[in-house]
Parts: sequence; structure tokens; C-alpha cells
Amino acid sequence: DIQMTQSPSSLSASVGDRVTITCRASQSISSYLNWYQQKPGKAPKLLIYAASSLQSGVPSRFSGSGSGTDFTLTISSLQPEDFAAYYCQQSYSSPPTFGPGTKVDIK
Amino acid sequence: QLQLQESGPGLVKPSETLSLTCTVSGGSISSSSYYWGWIRQPPGKGLEWIGSVYYSGSTYYNPSLKSRVTISVDTSRDQFSLKLTSVTAADTAVYYCARISYYYDSGRPAWFDPWGQGALVTVSS
Repeated sequence: DIQMTQSPSSLSASVGDRVTITCRASQSISSYLNWYQQKPGKAPKLLIYAASSLQSGVPSRFSGSGSGTDFTLTISSLQPEDFAAYYCQQSYSSPPTFGPGTKVDIK
Repeated sequence: QLQLQESGPGLVKPSETLSLTCTVSGGSISSSSYYWGWIRQPPGKGLEWIGSVYYSGSTYYNPSLKSRVTISVDTSRDQFSLKLTSVTAADTAVYYCARISYYYDSGRPAWFDPWGQGALVTVSS
């Protein structure tokens, strides 16, 4: 199975901050990388698919980039509703696997 | 708007079988464009894909769980179901159902969207 890691595991930020989360795959996965947001007690929500494509309805302050083994999720200006956990997921090979998550909380 | 809703017992005894059903509304489970599947999340931990089913009944399972998992579909009711046998405390988790986009060339899962709200299943005597 392809192992996914994320850094940092948690971060504290203020409203309006630019936030970057990194995801790394144990082998090259081309652009087969998706990002999800999960708020406490809620189901994950798809934000980005295929590394950089914004899911319909997701605010444009979210963006994704990267290919190969290294990927980033960027929130250009953090909003109060963005405090949540973020997970990456590879779809290069089965089984699909998720990163351990990055928790973004309020500074 | 497509919605998914999990249902089933919240408490299962060790060595017994966990059974959950996902009901799809606002759309048809018989769409050729998607698989339907299950993902679980132990309390405070990460996400694990369990498996997927196509409307025709074709299935893919995570090899780590394959020997204990069965996923089936009932197109007449727009439902699909999960059975996990011989459960232990390690199977305690929130179980989510989700619609799965897939790659046509291989059938492997692409991304998961939308998700159900989740059902907490506790394995305990």
C-alpha cells in the first residue's frame, strides 16, 4: 500500500492567515491526490481532486498543487469556518489510502 | 441534492457480525458513473477505505479486510450494505458510506463525494 504522510500534524493560525499543508506519498502518484476537510463530528468533505481541481461549491481560497510525491493544500486567507482537520488521499493505486490528517485550530 | 444515510446497530458484540445499510436519496444508485462504498474512522484516528460496490454487484475490497467484508447492493431500494464478520474492539469506528468516482480504465476508486453523516459502531460485550 502507498503510505501518505502530512505535515504539520497540527497548526495554529489566525483569521486572514495564509496556510499551507503538505502531503507526501511513499512513491510517485502522479497527480492522483485528493484533499478533504473534516469538521468535528462531521463527515469529510471533498475540497480538491486530481491534485489541483477545485470541487464544485468549494471557495476559491482553497487551492492544491504538486505532483509525483509532494503536494500542498493552500488556504489563501483563513476564514473562521476553515478551522478543521484536513486529509489527503491517494488514488494512484488500490487500496486508496489517506494521510493522518492536519488539524488547523485558532491561534 | 444527493444524500446518503447510514443505519444499523450502534453496538456489536465481539466475534459477531457488524451490519450497516446506506440509503441513497436524491439520485439513483444505478448510475453507471459511480461506485458506492464504505470508509471507517476509529475514534480520534484516520480514515480507512473498506470497499466499494457497483450497481451491477461488482465489488472491490481493501485487502486488509477482504477476508471479513461483504458489500452488497439493492438497486430496487437504492441501498447498499456492509457486513463485517468476527469483529473485535479494533473495529470500533465511525462508519461512513460515500459515493465514489472511479477511473474507467481500471475501476479503481478515485475520490469520495458526498459522504453520509456517519454511524458510530462500538464493539463491546
